[in-house]
Amino acid sequence: GAVVSQHPSRVICKSGTSVKIECRSLDFQATTMFWYRQFPKQSLMLMATSNEGSKATYEQGVEKDKFLINHASLTLSTLTVTSAHPEDSSFYICSAPVGSDTQYFGPGTRLTVL
Amino acid sequence: AQSVSQHNHHVILSEAASLELGCNYSYGGTVNLFWYVQYPGQHLQLLLKYFSGDPLVKGIKGFEAEFIKSKFSFNLRKPSVQWSDTAEYFCAVNAQRGRRALTFGSGTRLQVQP
Repeated sequence: GAVVSQHPSRVICKSGTSVKIECRSLDFQATTMFWYRQFPKQSLMLMATSNEGSKATYEQGVEKDKFLINHASLTLSTLTVTSAHPEDSSFYICSAPVGSDTQYFGPGTRLTVL
Repeated sequence: AQSVSQHNHHVILSEAASLELGCNYSYGGTVNLFWYVQYPGQHLQLLLKYFSGDPLVKGIKGFEAEFIKSKFSFNLRKPSVQWSDTAEYFCAVNAQRGRRALTFGSGTRLQVQP
């Protein structure tokens, strides 16, 4: 089946630094990718929709200047958490739809901000 | 807006017991329904999905779910659980027409005791 990868799988950074997370579709092209955030013992919440060749669309309450999304190619979307703070510590997961109704999820990136 | 409710947050069963996890959704239009599983340390995997047709859908690993439109429900069932079914289970929906991003329920942690 379709595979989506994320890099890195874990990252620990100091408060105030920026962290870039990559999401790649390995054997298919994805004009759209989704970024979700999962806090401990909670569900996945959609943060934004990444669109190849155009600006990302953000969900209400998600700061677009803090969570920068770039969909550079048909197989790569990046999420940059700028000036990270401890409250940004979370599990970030991307997904890419295949066809009209199926999505494949990446393995996630655990971000810890000290 | 769509919403998904999973009322069982933590379920503990013995091996061979039967399982039913509740899922109710709220949405004014036609939806696609999904159940995903997240094994410890692994990424989300699709268990089964319902788009249309027979409301009883069968998925992988012996799981099935029944869509009851009048109750806005899509409960997950398995007649006999195994220790390897220990995982987090998420119900999710998206609109049949419109964006493909998923709205997730809060998840149910299933613990199967040997």
